[in-house]
Parts: sequence; structure tokens; C-alpha cells
Amino acid sequence: RKEVEQDPGPFNVPEGATVAFNCTYSNSASQSFFWYRQDCRKEPKLLMSVYSSGNEDGRFTAQLNRASQYISLLIRDSKLSDSATYLCVVTPPGFQKLVFGTGTRLLVSP
Amino acid sequence: NAGVTQTPKFRILKIGQSMTLQCTQDMNHNYMYWYRQDPGMGLKLIYYSVGAGITDKGEVPNGYNVSRSTTEDFPLRLELAAPSQTSVYFCASLGDRGFNGYTFGSGTRLTVV
Repeated sequence: RKEVEQDPGPFNVPEGATVAFNCTYSNSASQSFFWYRQDCRKEPKLLMSVYSSGNEDGRFTAQLNRASQYISLLIRDSKLSDSATYLCVVTPPGFQKLVFGTGTRLLVSP
Repeated sequence: NAGVTQTPKFRILKIGQSMTLQCTQDMNHNYMYWYRQDPGMGLKLIYYSVGAGITDKGEVPNGYNVSRSTTEDFPLRLELAAPSQTSVYFCASLGDRGFNGYTFGSGTRLTVV
């Protein structure tokens, strides 16, 4: 089983739609969780950290379910500029190294 | 504050040539990493370092070498370039507490012909 698994997509949605991505991780002792965004041919950039209590940043909401070992990202009112690949990222215990999922591609169309 | 700086941005190598990809960070991060990303694929860890003088292999270290003589610099060396090393290379650094995730450089696009 992969350490971090994501549906590769692509998710094709119209502008204004709400879309949700899920990610599962295998190590129950994982410590930190993040969502990164990667535009085509660019470096990944931190979108948001994910906290146990859930957190929101504008149109983006991240949730963590430790019992089920999954992380979610909800994007409301999708914009064309949200088209990108979204990477789920987890920090395993005991070592400062991030483990990346392979990413979920989002395409927002007019 | 420049963050993580990678040079060069683009390079074309002939098979068998050597080169060094440079990576410098100005955030005083102890942890630094090199990843490669092939088209349409995820990030694969090549080498990493937890501090000056300490390096270790990641998932795909064959064909590469690294050194970490200072906290700021973490160069990646390709000794005998092969077409399979055509990829985009990202350097990243991580603060000691890890809470803020990686900071990535803008990448080096390498083509081996």
C-alpha cells in the first residue's frame, strides 16, 4: 500500500462548482498534513496546512480524519484559476521528510 | 528574502556529460531535499540532508551525488548523464519543526540528448 494515495482525476468541473478531493495515508502515527498546489511546469506551492479541527482559508476547507486516516480538501465556487494539480502531503513520525501523493488534477471550465 | 534558489533553470546535456545543479536557501533550514519529477508523474526523492555534512539516499539516488558543506547550499551532481535523467529537478528546504511544509525552488528543466 502506498504511503499516500490520491485519485489522480482529472476532475472536470464548471466554474462556480464545489469540488472535493480525498486522500488516504497509511501511517497512523503521521504528524503533519498539507495540501500543495502545482501548476503545470511549476514548483509545488503550499496551499494550506491541515489541522485536526479542520481549517478554512477563503473558498478552501481542509479536514483531517485521524481515525479513518484520510484528509480532504473542499473548494467552493471554483474559479478558472483553480485549475491545477493538488498534492496531498503527509509527514511520517520520527523524521523530517514529507511524503507526497501523486496528485489530483482539477480542470475548471467556463 | 529569496527562499530557495535553483540554477540553472534550463539545461541540455549530451549523453555522458556531467553537471551540477545548484541549490541555495537563505532561511537557515537544516533540512534540504532534491526531487525529480517526470512528465505527468509525482515527485521522487533523490537525496536529502538533515544538516551540514549529513546526506542520505532517497528513492532514486542512482546516477546522482550530493554534498552539504554549508547549511545554505545543497548541490546535486550528475556524473554521466543518461536520457533517463531527463526530468524537472526541484530542490526544497524544510524548517526544523516542519509545521510550515517545504519551500521549493522554481526547478531546473534538464534534457539529456
